[in-house]
Amino acid sequence: ILNVEQSPQSLHVQEGDSTNFTCSFPSSNFYALHWYRWETAKSPEALFVMTLNGDEKKKGRISATLNTKEGYSYLYIKGSQPEDSATYLCAFGGDAGNMLTFGGGTRLMVKP
Amino acid sequence: DAGVIQSPRHEVTEMGQEVTLRCKPISGHNSLFWYRQTMMRGLELLIYFNNNVPIDDSGMPEDRFSAKMPNASFSTLKIQPSEPRDSAVYFCASSPLAGPYNEQFFGPGTRLTVL
Repeated sequence: ILNVEQSPQSLHVQEGDSTNFTCSFPSSNFYALHWYRWETAKSPEALFVMTLNGDEKKKGRISATLNTKEGYSYLYIKGSQPEDSATYLCAFGGDAGNMLTFGGGTRLMVKP
Repeated sequence: DAGVIQSPRHEVTEMGQEVTLRCKPISGHNSLFWYRQTMMRGLELLIYFNNNVPIDDSGMPEDRFSAKMPNASFSTLKIQPSEPRDSAVYFCASSPLAGPYNEQFFGPGTRLTVL
């Protein structure tokens, strides 16, 4: 069983705050690390797929970094807005097949 | 593109009944996944197919669960007989190509309640 952990489990911030959360995963047999955004009553949507150590990806106010040697990725949100409220999932791809192992998610709530 | 389509969106059934969940992946996608989401276990992979062939079904909880993909545009997940502990949201997802580098596109999910 692969250990993919996300912290914190939940986070409450004020509108305008910047925030970040962590995904930790096995540092061996790394193929890819995915980040998904999952709004309540909707389905997960991909934010980033990261494959190389040191990768940094950005989409608007959201960015992510990757450290495959130590087995962690950070997701940053700059100037949080209420519409950023969602659960953010990371998923580890640890073999050449399609299987992804998802973390438990970080639930972000942004108060106006 | 309509995205991944799942039906029904909600299903309420009684213990012991057969339940069939349906999925239509995005046209042209070669990989299809069935996930189950529960409060206790989060999002867990049940089975996935590449080019209509089941590749890994190690996540299927027990023999009561079965999945088929008769063609590239249709898959079913069947539970027979259903039990209350099967109550969950079941997601289908598809991906353009095999491999861990490709993002997965999720359907809206089917919320199953077994009484």
